[in-house]
Amino acid sequence: DAKTTQPTSMDCAEGRAANLPCNHSTISGNEYVYWYRQIHSQGPQYIIHGLKNNETNEMASLIITEDRKSSTLILPHATLRDTAVYYCIVRAMDSSYKLIFGSGTRLLVRP
Amino acid sequence: GAVVSQHPSRVICKSGTSVKIECRSLDFQATTMFWYRQFPKKSLMLMATSNEGSKATYEQGVEKDKFLINHASLTLSTLTVTSAHPEDSSFYICSATSRGRAHEQYFGPGTRLTVT
Repeated sequence: DAKTTQPTSMDCAEGRAANLPCNHSTISGNEYVYWYRQIHSQGPQYIIHGLKNNETNEMASLIITEDRKSSTLILPHATLRDTAVYYCIVRAMDSSYKLIFGSGTRLLVRP
Repeated sequence: GAVVSQHPSRVICKSGTSVKIECRSLDFQATTMFWYRQFPKKSLMLMATSNEGSKATYEQGVEKDKFLINHASLTLSTLTVTSAHPEDSSFYICSATSRGRAHEQYFGPGTRLTVT
């Protein structure tokens, strides 16, 4: 079973920030938070991951609450090409490396 | 990021035949590859984990005799759907990772299988 809860769908205007929430209230101390996205009919794409601290890369920022029970993925200036399903996944860094996908959030970026 | 390819991208086969899907990591050595299937408007479902040189580990409910997985080299894993039936029609996606890239999995573009 997926260990995360995400809204089914969201939308935002092009050029605005997209803030995608994720609840992971049962996260363990050794589990990381990962974000992937899947554009229609393509394979998923890695976006970002974090453990406790906030993270930023060229694609997005990841804000993790202090209790680690939730996080937010931020796309600072959404474009039409960011329309996709966004998956928040928690995973421990054990040897299996398995990713278990939940339902994700379908983000629609409006012109 | 690293590149993972799949071949073919689309395949149509007749019921009862077998079809092989290839997954290749093009620019790194993938010690571990994964196979997923995805039905329309649904999320990805992990089918099996494939470690180079050893037998695949299948998720609960996935028939290992129906979905044969081979990972003979560090750059190639294959999924063979044996005696395919229409209910096997799906989008099959592979991913690859290695010990040095533990935080990132690279996904292939997917293979759409249609069984008639």
